[in-house]
Amino acid sequence: TQLLEQSPQFLSIQEGENLTVYCNSSSVFSSLQWYRQEPGEGPVLLVTVVTGGEVKKLKRLTFQFGDARKDSSLHITAAQPGDTGLYLCAGERPGGSEKLVFGKGTKLTVNP
Amino acid sequence: NAGVTQTPKFRVLKTGQSMTLLCAQDMNHEYMYWYRQDPGMGLRLIHYSVGEGTTAKGEVPDGYNVSRLKKQNFLLGLESAAPSQTSVYFCASNERLAGGPFLWFGPGTRLTVT
Repeated sequence: TQLLEQSPQFLSIQEGENLTVYCNSSSVFSSLQWYRQEPGEGPVLLVTVVTGGEVKKLKRLTFQFGDARKDSSLHITAAQPGDTGLYLCAGERPGGSEKLVFGKGTKLTVNP
Repeated sequence: NAGVTQTPKFRVLKTGQSMTLLCAQDMNHEYMYWYRQDPGMGLRLIHYSVGEGTTAKGEVPDGYNVSRLKKQNFLLGLESAAPSQTSVYFCASNERLAGGPFLWFGPGTRLTVT
């Protein structure tokens, strides 16, 4: 059973377009993180959201944690080719187990 | 700081051979993890450690063993490699911050078992 479902699995868009990717679960998480992974490299942390309803912005990227802390979204405004990569969400279960649960990822391609 | 390093970067094994993957971190982190990443499967936790001398099983531990003799090193062993263990292996260490875990990943080891 996949605890974190990411959608869409693949996304190919043109430079300048906006997009949103989703990370959904039926479970509550203490925190939720978004990572970006480029080919041949390890994932790199982009942001952590902790409070239900929290919104964080990182330049053209906007991250939101659902009110019930079961889901999250990542919105990219005016996508650029440099945004291309695999976006992974990861959830920390309540109780501080220190084991993150990862979604399968959204592979984004931004074409010039 | 070098962060998290992994050796080797690539390896080809024959079925039944053994090998050890080495992960090293110079950030004094207590928690370390081994994940495998397969197409369409995401990152799956193999084993993890909450401190020197401790190890615990993750989601897919069968066929793997680990050791954490020194705080900065976390070793992943394959005693008898199988084609199903063909994958990209990532090591990570955890810098626990007030806002939650902060995983630092290594560059990965691409393993092919023929």
